[in-house]
Order: sequence, then structure tokens, then C-alpha cells
Amino acid sequence: GQNIDQPTEMTATEGAIVQINCTYQTSGFNGLFWYQQHAGEAPTFLSYNVLDGLEEKGRFSSFLSRSKGYSYLLLKELQMKDSASYLCAVMDSNYQLIWGAGTKLIIKP
Amino acid sequence: GAVVSQHPSRVICKSGTSVKIECRSLDFQATTMFWYRQFPKQSLMLMATSNEGSKATYEQGVEKDKFLINHASLTLSTLTVTSAHPEDSSFYICSARESGKENSPLHFGNGTRLTVT
Repeated sequence: GQNIDQPTEMTATEGAIVQINCTYQTSGFNGLFWYQQHAGEAPTFLSYNVLDGLEEKGRFSSFLSRSKGYSYLLLKELQMKDSASYLCAVMDSNYQLIWGAGTKLIIKP
Repeated sequence: GAVVSQHPSRVICKSGTSVKIECRSLDFQATTMFWYRQFPKQSLMLMATSNEGSKATYEQGVEKDKFLINHASLTLSTLTVTSAHPEDSSFYICSARESGKENSPLHFGNGTRLTVT
């Protein structure tokens, strides 16, 4: 079956760095997406990785290792507004998105 | 950037009535749109894939006669919750991908919070 695993919840301190991991097992692979979802709102797109390596976009970076079925989202210089759920999603061979359950990130002052 | 407009953002209806939710891609064409449901503190659950000009594909366990989907144009899909009941109260979110760009990210509407009394 298809499976996406990510931690349920993480806590970090304002100004610090946090890494949210995601492992996956899917039928084929056409890319991995990270989305941010604030409570009561729809998800917003953060990043897309289809090749191995690190993609950097401002304070956020995303890493992919296809051989290990592994990705992480790295958030630097954490701000209180970064408190949200972070969703990992993998696009399978049929271009369908398989969603993880999301990681709730709590930022403390 | 690509914008998806979803309307209404919030609706309260009485049990037994029907509610229609619209999802529009404002600056791109979308052959395929997706309808999700999310209960509090739970992950997104795909309900159905809406295909322009053809029947929607429903996920297992989703009643097609209860959740009617119409994708009449390349920029509009609608979800109608028929004979709504309190257990249908949820956050409904649509998303769309630009036609011909299967690897591109999904763009989400702002969601519709449905409360059935």
C-alpha cells in the first residue's frame, strides 16, 4: 500500500531552526510537495522536489532522497506565524497526490 | 500566481437541505479539480476527482448521489451536498492543477466551512 509518515507534532523556539521529516512508500514517484496549513484555513504550497538534493526558498528549504524515500522541510529563523501544520504529499505514478497526516508545529517564544 | 476561488467560505444550513459550493480557477484552466474534506484536527481526505466534461471519480466510501459534482467548464467545478445532515458538517476544500502540467502543485481554494443544524 501507499504510505506517508511524518511526526504528529513538534515544538520549537522562536528564532531557532526545526526540521520536519517525511518518509514515503508509494506506487511510483512524480515529486514530493510540502504545504503549510494554518488552523481553519486551506493549505498553501511551500515547495516541490522531484530530483535529489536541497531546494532553498528563503527561510524554508526542502530536501529529497529518492533512494531512501525521505524528505525533510527545514525552517530557519522561526517566527510565531510559522505555527501551523505542515503537510507532506507525494505524487504517485498516476499523478495522484498521496497526503501525509501533517505535522503540527508549535512555536514557543 | 495561480488563484483558486471557492465560494461560499462559510455556510449554515438546516438538516435535509442542499448546499452548493463553487470552485473557480481564476487565471488558469483546470481540466481536473479535486474536492477534499477535512474534519477538525484530521488530515485532508480526498473525496473525488472532478474532470471537465466527464463524470467525477469518487473515492471509496464517498456517496456519489449525496455529493454531486459538476465540472462544466475548464474553470469551474461545483460540489452539491444533497440532503445534508449534521455529520456532513466539515471543512470542504477544492484544489486545481493547471491543465497539461501534471507535475505542478495543486492550488487550493480557501475552503468552505459547512455547518448543518
